[in-house]
Amino acid sequence: QQQVKQSPQSLIVQKGGISIINCAYENTAFDYFPWYQQFPGKGPALLIAIRPDVSEKKEGRFTISFNKSAKQFSLHIMDSQPGDSATYFCAAIVGFQKLVFGTGTRLLVSP
Amino acid sequence: DARVTQTPRHKVTEMGQEVTMRCQPILGHNTVFWYRQTMMQGLELLAYFRNRAPLDDSGMPKDRFSAEMPDATLATLKIQPSEPRDSAVYFCASGESTDTQYFGPGTRLTVL
Repeated sequence: QQQVKQSPQSLIVQKGGISIINCAYENTAFDYFPWYQQFPGKGPALLIAIRPDVSEKKEGRFTISFNKSAKQFSLHIMDSQPGDSATYFCAAIVGFQKLVFGTGTRLLVSP
Repeated sequence: DARVTQTPRHKVTEMGQEVTMRCQPILGHNTVFWYRQTMMQGLELLAYFRNRAPLDDSGMPKDRFSAEMPDATLATLKIQPSEPRDSAVYFCASGESTDTQYFGPGTRLTVL
């Protein structure tokens, strides 16, 4: 019940396209859902996060869509650029417990 | 620009040797995490501390791994004795709580 399931494992998108990464969870007590971005040779970095009281959060080209009833959330990258090529991790947490990470999605944006 | 620092960045050692990895969390952050990342297992939480006290080390093999915070500016992760299966990238992260974590650049460990 503490797992966060992430899909797809890898994704290839053409420049200018929309990248969509999905995550699903079981624990309805989760109250914070961040996304982390990791470039090769670097540590993960917080990209964007959402709390379950809103259905969508947008920051620039990055949008989180949250469906509380379905227990799913997704990351959308609009106008994807080669510089967005990285591994993306969704995560979830309840209270002051530890973050539960998804398994990661390797995104490649082709020029 | 406050960052988490980790040393060494790369470590190659032979099986059976002791390995010590160090982390300097961001000043003022009271929560420190150790993660291990491999292709097969992904990102695994090994242990985390709040106010220098260990809160959860259930992800850490107890027989060979140990994590400590001698003071608020230093966290250490030791492996003794090291084994080839310990080869991975080890990340330290810090935060003011558990929800937002700032990761260091990692230590790439290779055990021959």
